[in-house]
Amino acid sequence: DVKVTQSSRYLVKRTGEKVFLECVQDMDHENMFWYRQDPGLGLRLIYFSYDVKMKEKGDIPEGYSVSREKKERFSLILESASTNQTSMYLCASSDQGRTAAYEQYFGPGTRLTVT
Amino acid sequence: AQSVTQLDSQVPVFEEAPVELRCNYSSSVSVYLFWYVQYPNQGLQLLLKYLSGSTLVKGINGFEAEFNKSQTSFHLRKPSVHISDTAEYFCAVSEGGGNKLTFGTGTQLKVEL
Repeated sequence: DVKVTQSSRYLVKRTGEKVFLECVQDMDHENMFWYRQDPGLGLRLIYFSYDVKMKEKGDIPEGYSVSREKKERFSLILESASTNQTSMYLCASSDQGRTAAYEQYFGPGTRLTVT
Repeated sequence: AQSVTQLDSQVPVFEEAPVELRCNYSSSVSVYLFWYVQYPNQGLQLLLKYLSGSTLVKGINGFEAEFNKSQTSFHLRKPSVHISDTAEYFCAVSEGGGNKLTFGTGTQLKVEL
């Protein structure tokens, strides 16, 4: 079974703090994604990566950055957390290049509260 | 650009009744379509997907969906729901075979006794 794990289920941070959210997948997938999920807005793509050290902006990259130094790990960074970044953050991974590739596998999510 | 519309934010239904969750998409090219389910306090799990071939797709837990190209729809159905189907359901589209998915805003299915 594909497994995507996220470093924390719940996180509380203060405004202005630097926040790291970590995601690890164990299926050797090329693609990894970070989404935020807010009520009534569904999932919105923040950043994605299709290879080590490669990244592309999603729909809402402002206030976030990412790092992918190893294939299995994709980190989301909030340089200076703000209250409007309080949300559920979901990581996902997918294979690349085959028809089964389009299925994304999700982690359990990190609920981040910024006070 | 692709977009996905889930018109119903909440759908209440009694146990053992049939249910349909609606999904419409807009895209100018060929698409792949997905339904995901999210149980409380969990990540998303794939229910079913349409990539090509038969327009009626069967998924896990007795769900099925039908791809209708002329109506640009991919509605999810189950003939008889169970309490355990209470969850949020998301429709998603991948345009032109790309690796990115665009998600709808979700439909909360609440199954009552």
